[in-house]
Amino acid sequence: DAGVTQSPTHLIKTRGQQVTLRCSPKSGHDTVSWYQQALGQGPQFIFQYYEEEERQRGNFPDRFSGHQFPNYSSELNVNALLLGDSALYLCASSGGTSGRAYNEQFFGPGTRLTVL
Amino acid sequence: SQQGEEDPQALSIQEGENATMNCSYKTSINNLQWYRQNSGRGLVHLILIRSNEREKHSGRLRVTLDTSKKSSSLLITASRAADTASYFCATAPSGGYNKLIFGAGTRLAVHP
Repeated sequence: DAGVTQSPTHLIKTRGQQVTLRCSPKSGHDTVSWYQQALGQGPQFIFQYYEEEERQRGNFPDRFSGHQFPNYSSELNVNALLLGDSALYLCASSGGTSGRAYNEQFFGPGTRLTVL
Repeated sequence: SQQGEEDPQALSIQEGENATMNCSYKTSINNLQWYRQNSGRGLVHLILIRSNEREKHSGRLRVTLDTSKKSSSLLITASRAADTASYFCATAPSGGYNKLIFGAGTRLAVHP
């Protein structure tokens, strides 16, 4: 049973560009959350998707957007990249019941984004 | 802003010793989870403790939760070099949808 997978592993972009990161949840999970982890800090919640809708959002600007597909996989899009967007982007999946249950979240290996 | 705060920020011990990490948080929670992270890679889930639980064990791990003090502790017994990693506590606030709020983590170094 594959766990949470993310692609790509690493990505280098320049300021002003746009990027798309992808995530496939653990089998049986229907909820995907995205987190940003700057170097030396803990992850910060970006948003969460359930039933193809964004149902909760953290304190991130509208440049950060996402999508969830019918197979529960998800994308994170960041527009107009800034140097400060350089970070490890983590995807986590959970749920499998009502989607509201408070369960363990399982994380993928992350995508390391560098903005030059 | 991050809700949780881990203490200490860094911990250095010898193999075989016990390691204790503490976490404090600010709001009411549904559960608290501990994660391990090796060298900036993905987070590995260690243990989840719900707000109505006071103590939980998993192998060499023991987690306590004191909701009156809004604090938790993680004890790793008989540490091994392979336990060297960063450890994070994450809280799931009540009334939310299981979003997690992380602290800045404790960096644990276990020396052979």
